[in-house]
Amino acid sequence: GAVVSQHPSRVICKSGTSVKIECRSLDFQATTMFWYRQFPKKSLMLMATSNEGSKATYEQGVEKDKFLINHASLTLSTLTVTSAHPEDSSFYICSARDLTGPGNTIYFGEGSWLTVV
Amino acid sequence: AQKVTQAQTEISVVEKEDVTLDCVYETRDTTYYLFWYKQPPSGELVFLIRRNSFDEQNEISGRYSWNFQKSTSSFNFTITASQVVDSAVYFCAISNFGNEKLTFGTGTRLTIIP
Repeated sequence: GAVVSQHPSRVICKSGTSVKIECRSLDFQATTMFWYRQFPKKSLMLMATSNEGSKATYEQGVEKDKFLINHASLTLSTLTVTSAHPEDSSFYICSARDLTGPGNTIYFGEGSWLTVV
Repeated sequence: AQKVTQAQTEISVVEKEDVTLDCVYETRDTTYYLFWYKQPPSGELVFLIRRNSFDEQNEISGRYSWNFQKSTSSFNFTITASQVVDSAVYFCAISNFGNEKLTFGTGTRLTIIP
């Protein structure tokens, strides 16, 4: 069935560096993908909508210059956390909808744990 | 704006007991989708069910069942004969029709005690 895959699943980076997280739809094309952030033991909060071939749409309060989103193809969206700080440490997870599958199900990736030291 | 409330932060039950996870939602839309996802300790979100606002039929899938009541804006999830593998955080979520953006509840951490 449809699968959404994220890479890396875990990453540790130093403060001030940038880190890129990839989100791929493996069995289907997704013109739109979504990035969520989840703090420990908290709910998932939508950060932005990634649009293939155009600019991402960010939710209120999310810094677009800090969280760069690129949706270069119909199967790949990337989230780059720039100049990372320890407070950016979080679980980042993406989603995409398979419009061709049964019930137009929304699938989530496995998530990426980011730790900034 | 849409909102989902999962009042139960944590629940613990002994294995083989039945357990119901509550979900209450708020929306001004007449058409919407409701979801339940399971998040095991590894972090990934496992899709359990999607229900559209037109369909109030209850659904059963194995040990899982869902009760959708529009009159009370609730979409509760029951696990029958719980098993240790059911231990996870469960999220209820809502989205508009044609909108893939989900608004999540705060989740319920379910622990099944062997």
